[in-house]
Amino acid sequence: LAKTTQPISMDSYEGQEVNITCSHNNIATNDYITWYQQFPSQGPRFIIQGYKTKVTNEVASLFIPADRKSSTLSLPRVSLSDTAVYYCLVGDMNSGNTPLVFGKGTRLSVIA
Amino acid sequence: NAGVTQTPKFQVLKTGQSMTLQCAQDMNHNSMYWYRQDPGMGLRLIYYSASEGTTDKGEVPNGYNVSRLNKREFSLRLESAAPSQTSVYFCASSERQTSYNSPLHFGNGTRLTVT
Repeated sequence: LAKTTQPISMDSYEGQEVNITCSHNNIATNDYITWYQQFPSQGPRFIIQGYKTKVTNEVASLFIPADRKSSTLSLPRVSLSDTAVYYCLVGDMNSGNTPLVFGKGTRLSVIA
Repeated sequence: NAGVTQTPKFQVLKTGQSMTLQCAQDMNHNSMYWYRQDPGMGLRLIYYSASEGTTDKGEVPNGYNVSRLNKREFSLRLESAAPSQTSVYFCASSERQTSYNSPLHFGNGTRLTVT
């Protein structure tokens, strides 16, 4: 599985757009990208998943450039409740044998 | 619809004691997982069960055993607890083993302290 690298922490003010970039230089053709969010004292929660270009849902957008060696999670107009750890994961869509591996994630702190 | 339920929520053990962490899901998912999370660390996979009747080791299986009791339930057993097993344990499930279009659903964790 491709190794992922993301910033350990980020700070943002309320109302700003936050972009968290994940690097996955060794991503393979069959790999897809998934992001999870974890609030304190809770288990991680699925946010968004994509393979290429742009994916948007009610929570976030995921931007994946043509070379797919990185991806950016975009959170529009964050609020205090978006303070959490965000994990970027890469998985093989055709393989059922290797569960996703979570790294240390990016700790986002939203400040009033 | 409860999702993934873990019991107990908190537990304190003495070194050498044994216990079983319980996990149940009501989403009819095929695959289930046990992770542990230590302070400042990401989640590390202990064991997983791709489908009822199968279990496989993850990254950190030493000191643990699992049982996939049926499709709903997946338990994690510590036979002889050690202080190094102090952690937060998360159970998760997914519809299929590959999580493409089959995201993981997590419980809220069991906080275990071994003294």
